[in-house]
Amino acid sequence: GQNIDQPTEMTATEGAIVQINCTYQTSGFNGLFWYQQHAGEAPTFLSYNVLDGLEEKGRFSSFLSRSKGYSYLLLKELQMKDSASYLCAVRARSGYSTLTFGKGTMLLVSP
Amino acid sequence: DSGVTQTPKHLITATGQRVTLRCSPRSGDLSVYWYQQSLDQGLQFLIQYYNGEERAKGNILERFSAQQFPDLHSELNLSSLELGDSALYFCASSGGTGDEQYFGPGTRLTVT
Repeated sequence: GQNIDQPTEMTATEGAIVQINCTYQTSGFNGLFWYQQHAGEAPTFLSYNVLDGLEEKGRFSSFLSRSKGYSYLLLKELQMKDSASYLCAVRARSGYSTLTFGKGTMLLVSP
Repeated sequence: DSGVTQTPKHLITATGQRVTLRCSPRSGDLSVYWYQQSLDQGLQFLIQYYNGEERAKGNILERFSAQQFPDLHSELNLSSLELGDSALYFCASSGGTGDEQYFGPGTRLTVT
């Protein structure tokens, strides 16, 4: 089976840095994805990790440790528009794109 | 704009009824996925189609069915609707079986 854990809520201040953690236990692993979702809107793709290490993309970075079943999303220079839910998703098998999503972390950025 | 379209945007119907949700994938994408999102369950994978064929099944109820047509658009049919089926239904598409998924704007279904 698949189990993905993320904190339910986090708060941070505009301009700060925040790290959102995700731990997973899956039968097989073929990649970890991060999505951003504003309330009532579609999830939008942020990042993808399949090998250990850090992937940087502008203000957003994502880290993966396969041996620890652990990933984090790092958001720098927070802006008010970053207030959203951040979803961690794992693809368990190669050749298939089926994703299992965590329940998401609601990030609230305050002035 | 992800390039994935879904209709209708909102749907209100009564218990016991049947509805059809429609999705058009991004141009060139062969895979279509359907998800249900409710407040307490998060985003739940329902079913995947690849180039017209069912590829993977998730937590899809027997009252629900889907298909992908030769032009690659997909429909999700929900029947014998219950109050608990009220949710956001998202469609996503990807280019193959290993790519990231791009989500449509969703259909908000309310069953009264």
